[in-house]
Amino acid sequence: QKEVEQDPGPLSVPEGAIVSLNCTYSNSAFQYFMWYRQYSRKGPELLMYTYSSGNKEDGRFTAQVDKSSKYISLFIRDSQPSDSATYLCAMSGETSASRLTFGEGTQLTVNP
Amino acid sequence: ETGVTQSPTHLIKTRGQQVTLRCSSQSGHNTVSWYQQALGQGPQFIFQYYREEENGRGNFPPRFSGLQFPNYSSELNVNALELDDSALYLCASSLGAGTGPLEQYFGPGTRLTVT
Repeated sequence: QKEVEQDPGPLSVPEGAIVSLNCTYSNSAFQYFMWYRQYSRKGPELLMYTYSSGNKEDGRFTAQVDKSSKYISLFIRDSQPSDSATYLCAMSGETSASRLTFGEGTQLTVNP
Repeated sequence: ETGVTQSPTHLIKTRGQQVTLRCSSQSGHNTVSWYQQALGQGPQFIFQYYREEENGRGNFPPRFSGLQFPNYSSELNVNALELDDSALYLCASSLGAGTGPLEQYFGPGTRLTVT
């Protein structure tokens, strides 16, 4: 069983839709929870991160972490065609914060 | 702009050959992590170098090896290439092995094709 599970999609939505992306994990030592965006044939770029539990909002993006359920989410409001990319969840522990464990990635297409 | 560069951008190798990939970390960063990303998959941690020493390794065989130089640039070497080694190889640099994700930046990757 993988430490981090993510539905690979693909996910296709109309412009303006609310997008919900999710990951589950099994390692209780994870403390950092990240969402990366990756465009085709490019390196991942950090979109949002949360330390421990809670919610974090940045513009149209909201990240949620529920450690009791080992479940994290990313919500994208008013989605735009430029949001079309692969979204990767990633996690790391307190003592090895820069060693990331990634999910499989969800391919998102926002149609104009 | 992150400042992490990787070379080459693409390369094609034959099964059984050896390959060296290079990464220049962002100025001031002393830690480099390498990841393998197969097509349609998330990146998988290969190993990390901190101040020229290996500092953690993922589930990869010994034919995957690395080096970090005094200027903190890094190389990933893969011997006896197999078809399954075809992937995008990413490096990420950070300041310190325990640095949180805000200070870790990924390069654009090297796409390796093994035929």
